[in-house]
Amino acid sequence: TQLLEQSPQFLSIQEGENLTVYCNSSSVFSSLQWYRQEPGEGPVLLVTVVTGGEVKKLKRLTFQFGDARKDSSLHITAAQPGDTCLYLCAGGVARGGGSNYKLTFGKGTLLTVNP
Amino acid sequence: IAGITQAPTSQILAAGRRMTLRCTQDMRHNAMYWYRQDLGLGLRLIHYSNTAGTTGKGEVPDGYSVSRANTDDFPLTLASAVPSQTSVYFCASSESWVTDTQYFGPGTRLTVL
Repeated sequence: TQLLEQSPQFLSIQEGENLTVYCNSSSVFSSLQWYRQEPGEGPVLLVTVVTGGEVKKLKRLTFQFGDARKDSSLHITAAQPGDTCLYLCAGGVARGGGSNYKLTFGKGTLLTVNP
Repeated sequence: IAGITQAPTSQILAAGRRMTLRCTQDMRHNAMYWYRQDLGLGLRLIHYSNTAGTTGKGEVPDGYSVSRANTDDFPLTLASAVPSQTSVYFCASSESWVTDTQYFGPGTRLTVL
């Protein structure tokens, strides 16, 4: 069973601060996805990284996939109250033989950005 | 563009009752999934379907059943609900079973008393 450890579980910061969320595993993943989830809604995909060492930027959000494809990080610069939500990482493994591309989700990081 | 719709939005159910959660997608995606989300446990896969007419078991399938009569619909049935099935249920879809991007519905909050 592949596990994704996401940390921290909770994070409360002031507007303008920077933060990093980590997603770690002992397993290798074919891809790593980051989702954001608002209260009462389903997760929404932010980004997918597929290459070891890959870095993607989405405005103030920077996503990195570890060289060994076992870990990832999400860095937010100058956090804003609108960044408040649950952030989820999910590791994907391509399985052969017609089986599903399996996603393993981390337990999430609940971020609160205070004005 | 609706994407994925789920019904009902929320439901309170007596233990032992039968309940079907509905999920419909309009993206013509081949693969569909049912997850439950619980505090401290994250999202866990219940059942999945690679394509219409086929289904498979996920991580926590006990007490749940699914069917996939057509591409668009993927209902989840609790034959005899128990309090441990209190959770938020999310339906998701992807273009195919070999692609990684999954799109989620808004969820159904189910309480079993």
